[in-house]
Amino acid sequence: EVQVLESGGGLVQPGGSLSLSCAASGFTFSTYPMSWVRQAPGKGLEWVSVISNSGGTTFYAGSVKGRFTISRDNSKNTLWLQLNSLRADDTAIYYCAKGGLTTAGFDYWGQGTLVTVSS
Amino acid sequence: DIQMTQSPSSLSASVGDRVTITCRASQGIRNDLGWYQQKPGKAPKRLIYSASSLQGGVPSRFSGSGSGTEFTLTISSLQPEDFATYYCLQHNSYPLTFGGGTKVEIK
Repeated sequence: EVQVLESGGGLVQPGGSLSLSCAASGFTFSTYPMSWVRQAPGKGLEWVSVISNSGGTTFYAGSVKGRFTISRDNSKNTLWLQLNSLRADDTAIYYCAKGGLTTAGFDYWGQGTLVTVSS
Repeated sequence: DIQMTQSPSSLSASVGDRVTITCRASQGIRNDLGWYQQKPGKAPKRLIYSASSLQGGVPSRFSGSGSGTEFTLTISSLQPEDFATYYCLQHNSYPLTFGGGTKVEIK
C-alpha cells in the first residue's frame, strides 16, 4: 500500500525557518518525482515545488522561489522541504504528493502537516 | 504561467442530479489536466487524469472530457458521498496550477 506521511509542521515566527519531511513507502520511491502542495486555511490548493526522481532537477512556485528548498534521499525514501524567511501568508497545510508533470499529476497524497507563521 | 479558470465556484444540487464543472486554461495544454475531489479535513483525491482517464477505484459516474483549453468534469448521478470541493490541475508545464475550486453542496 502506497503511503506518504508528512511531519515537521508547527508554529513559527515571521522570518523564521522550518523543515518538513515526508516518509514514503509502498512504492519504488527513487522512480518518481515528488511534490509539495499547500492549502491556506479556507483557501484552494497551490502547488509549491517538485523534485525529479534522481533529485537533480527542481522547480518552485514563484511565491516561494529563493526561500524554500526541496530535497530528497532515495536511500531513506524521504522527501524534505526547507522553509526559510517565512511570512504570514505561508500559513497553510503542506501536503506531500507523489508525482509531478511527467506522471500526470499526483496519484497519492499525504494527510498534510500544518505550518502556522505568527508572532 | 498557465491560469486555470474554474466555474462555477459553487453549486447546489440534489442526489441524482447530473453535475458539470468546467475548467478553462489560459493557453492550450493538450489533455494534460486532472480532476481532484477534496472533502473537509481530508487530503485531495485524484478522480481523473489526462483529461478523461478514470483513476482506478473511482466510480464510473465520474467522467472527464476536453482538450486544449476547455475541460469538463461530469458527475452523471450525484451521490451523497460526492458532496465535496473539486479542483482541476494542469500538468502541462511548471508551475503546475490548480483551478480555484468548485464546492458542491446539497440543495
